[in-house]
Parts: sequence; C-alpha cells; structure tokens
Amino acid sequence: NAGVTQTPKFQVLKTGQSMTLQCAQDMNHNSMYWYRQDPGMGLRLIYYSASEGTTDKGEVPNGYNVSRLNKREFSLRLESAAPSQTSVYFCASSAGLPPNTQYFGPGTRLTVL
Amino acid sequence: QKEVEQDPGPLSVPEGAIVSLNCTYSNSAFQYFMWYRQYSRKGPELLMYTYSSGNKEDGRFTAQVDKSSKYISLFIRDSQPSDSATYLCAMSDNYGQNFVFGPGTRLSVLP
Repeated sequence: NAGVTQTPKFQVLKTGQSMTLQCAQDMNHNSMYWYRQDPGMGLRLIYYSASEGTTDKGEVPNGYNVSRLNKREFSLRLESAAPSQTSVYFCASSAGLPPNTQYFGPGTRLTVL
Repeated sequence: QKEVEQDPGPLSVPEGAIVSLNCTYSNSAFQYFMWYRQYSRKGPELLMYTYSSGNKEDGRFTAQVDKSSKYISLFIRDSQPSDSATYLCAMSDNYGQNFVFGPGTRLSVLP
C-alpha cells in the first residue's frame, strides 16, 4: 500500500498564478484533510472532508478551494497565489471513527514569488 | 490560551539519555492522545496513541496521560541519533472529533 500520496513534491509559482495540489489515499479512509505547516506555527487545518461528498472549512481556509473528487482523492486549489501562501502543504486521511488517527502524505513544498 | 501547548525546543540530549517530551491541554473532552514523529522534510508519522489516562509502552517509547492535570508525556529510553526529529502531540474527543495538534518539540540526540 502506498498510503497517502501527494503531487507535486515541489512547486514554484509567481504571484497571481493558480495551481492544484493533488492527494490520494488507498486505505479506504472516509475522511481527508489539508494542512499547511509554517515555521513556529505548527500544523494548521485548511479544509477537511469528513466523507465523500462533503467539505468543511478549517482554521485557515481563505485563498483556497477543495474538491473531494471521490473517496480516494482530495484536491486543494489556489486560485490566485500570494506570497503568504508559501508553505509546506500536507494531506492526511483517517478512518473517521475513534480514535480517528490521521495518516499523512509526504508534503508539497510551495514557494510563491 | 492555546488549546494544546508544547515547548518548541530545541531539546538537545546525548545519545543514550532518557528524553521526556510533554504537552498540556485545556479541553477536558479530549480522550484520545497521540504522538507523532516528523523527520525533517517529511510528513508526520504516528508513533502511538492512548485512550484516557494511564501508560502505554512500545519498545523504547512510553506514553503517559494524566487527565487530572491535563498533561501528557512521551518518554524515550536509550535515545539514538535516529530519534532526532520533531515530536507532535495530538488529541481528540471520545468520538475521534475535534482533532487538535500541538505545535511540536524539536529533539536532537547527539552522538
């Protein structure tokens, strides 16, 4: 099993450009999550999907959109990238049942110039 | 006050030392307590989890929960340079919801 996979691993954008980060899991998990991690800030939840067909905002949703394409895939879109969105982005998934432990992908390192 | 707090470190110890990593929290509804390890430029990986109060041991790692004090700990015995990483605590309520991560403690084990 690959677990949680993310593409791309690295990306450099110019301010105003758009891009989509892809995430897929093969653990048959119901719930999926997008986090960003910045130095000194820890993991901050952007959006999550408790189950296929639902999405909800997390702590820092502004400037992002998500799509739960099917049970396996959950994408994160930046419509007009800003330098403040320079960060490492992690996708995670969980079964959705207690303890609901989350399993993480390897991350996407994004730089916005 | 943040919901979950951790000393950010860095914490530097010599190889073979016993390491104690700690988190405090404010929400008494938390029932599941997890520890994640994150190597540099990698995603967090689950080390272990416990339910409610008590201890749990897995090899060189022991997780301890004191719900009365709202305090959890991770002990690493005979620490190795390969244990050098950032350790994040996480917790959730009895339904596995309201999942919250601590900011992480950076640990360096020196050969």
